[in-house]
Amino acid sequence: DVKVTQSSRYLVKRTGEKVFLECVQDMDHENMFWYRQDPGLGLRLIYFSYDVKMKEKGDIPEGYSVSREKKERFSLILESASTNQTSMYLCASRSAKTDTQYFGPGTRLTVL
Amino acid sequence: AQSVTQLDSHVSVSEGTPVLLRCNYSSSYSPSLFWYVQHPNKGLQLLLKYTSAATLVKGINGFEAEFKKSETSFHLTKPSAHMSDAAEYFCVVSAASGSARQLTFGSGTQLTVLP
Repeated sequence: DVKVTQSSRYLVKRTGEKVFLECVQDMDHENMFWYRQDPGLGLRLIYFSYDVKMKEKGDIPEGYSVSREKKERFSLILESASTNQTSMYLCASRSAKTDTQYFGPGTRLTVL
Repeated sequence: AQSVTQLDSHVSVSEGTPVLLRCNYSSSYSPSLFWYVQHPNKGLQLLLKYTSAATLVKGINGFEAEFKKSETSFHLTKPSAHMSDAAEYFCVVSAASGSARQLTFGSGTQLTVLP
């Protein structure tokens, strides 16, 4: 069965902190994605990765970076958290052979 | 370019009555289309997908959707709503297989099921 896990369901951080959100998939998928979801704005793509050490900016990359050192793991990094980064963050993965994405449970991040 | 329009931001039905969630799309390519469901504080779960095979697609939990190219629609239906169907539903279009940048999400439809 398909499984995407995220390291935390709920996270509270302070402005200026460095924040790491971790995502792990067990399907040997090449592609992985980070989205944020906000009321009224839907899902917006932050970054995605074609394969290990490969990354590409999505629609809203400002204030974020990513790391993909191993195929199964894709990390989202907030270098200096700000209150406008309070959001639900969703990770997804996908085989390069199809266009079906499988999502993790999400991390609800609050920045105070 | 591609886009997805979910025509209703909120739909309310009584338990046991039919569900219709409407989605229109535009795409320059032959699209793949998906419906995802999101229960409160959960991730997105794939309900069904259309990828140029049969135009009537059956998904999980009794949902189905019909791809109508002439109307550029992909509406989601279920004959009889259940309380557990209350959730937010997203229509998604993908322009071309393997193209990571071409996935576009609709703004979502919140389904309420009344007892």
